[in-house]
Amino acid sequence: GAVVSQHPSRVICKSGTSVKIECRSLDFQATTMFWYRQFPKQSLMLMATSNEGSKATYEQGVEKDKFLINHASLTLSTLTVTSAHPEDSSFYICSASTRAGQIGNTIYFGEGSWLTVV
Amino acid sequence: QKEVEQNSGPLSVPEGAIASLNCTYSDRGSQSFFWYRQYSGKSPELIMFIYSNGDKEDGRFTAQLNKASQYVSLLIRDSQPSDSATYLCAVIGPGGFKTIFGAGTRLFVKA
Repeated sequence: GAVVSQHPSRVICKSGTSVKIECRSLDFQATTMFWYRQFPKQSLMLMATSNEGSKATYEQGVEKDKFLINHASLTLSTLTVTSAHPEDSSFYICSASTRAGQIGNTIYFGEGSWLTVV
Repeated sequence: QKEVEQNSGPLSVPEGAIASLNCTYSDRGSQSFFWYRQYSGKSPELIMFIYSNGDKEDGRFTAQLNKASQYVSLLIRDSQPSDSATYLCAVIGPGGFKTIFGAGTRLFVKA
């Protein structure tokens, strides 16, 4: 299957600082990527849909100024958690769409990034 | 009614048995259906996808789709303890953009 790479896998940052997480589609071009957050023992929560060359679409309740998403190329989307606080500590996962809007579209996930804010 | 519904479980089966995981969806126009496996602390991994009515087999896994009943299932034959995980059902709706995930079913395979 297609490969989606996410980096870093684990990051610890101080409260008030910003941290960037990268999501790359390694063997396909992804016009659409997705960012999720998952707390322990809970379901995936879609945060935003990242579209190459345009602004991200955020889900209700997700602060767009706090979670900055950039999708500058067909293989890279980044999520920046700005002014991080301990409550932002979570597992952040990206996914990429192989053929958005077409039959045969499949979603592949990155490995996820554990963020701990201290 | 949730758009994609799964029994949260846990579903417990003995090693070697068949595990049957079920999922229903609300949008009749949905076009693509997926099963992901997620181990604790890891991201979801794609196991199967199915687009047409009927069965699709891949090794020990069989996905079954019934669009008339808006129902998709995953059968795991010869279940192994390593199959213990949360299984997520996902549906791509009409237009091929929006993906809706179920909350997942926790499966335990007892040795």
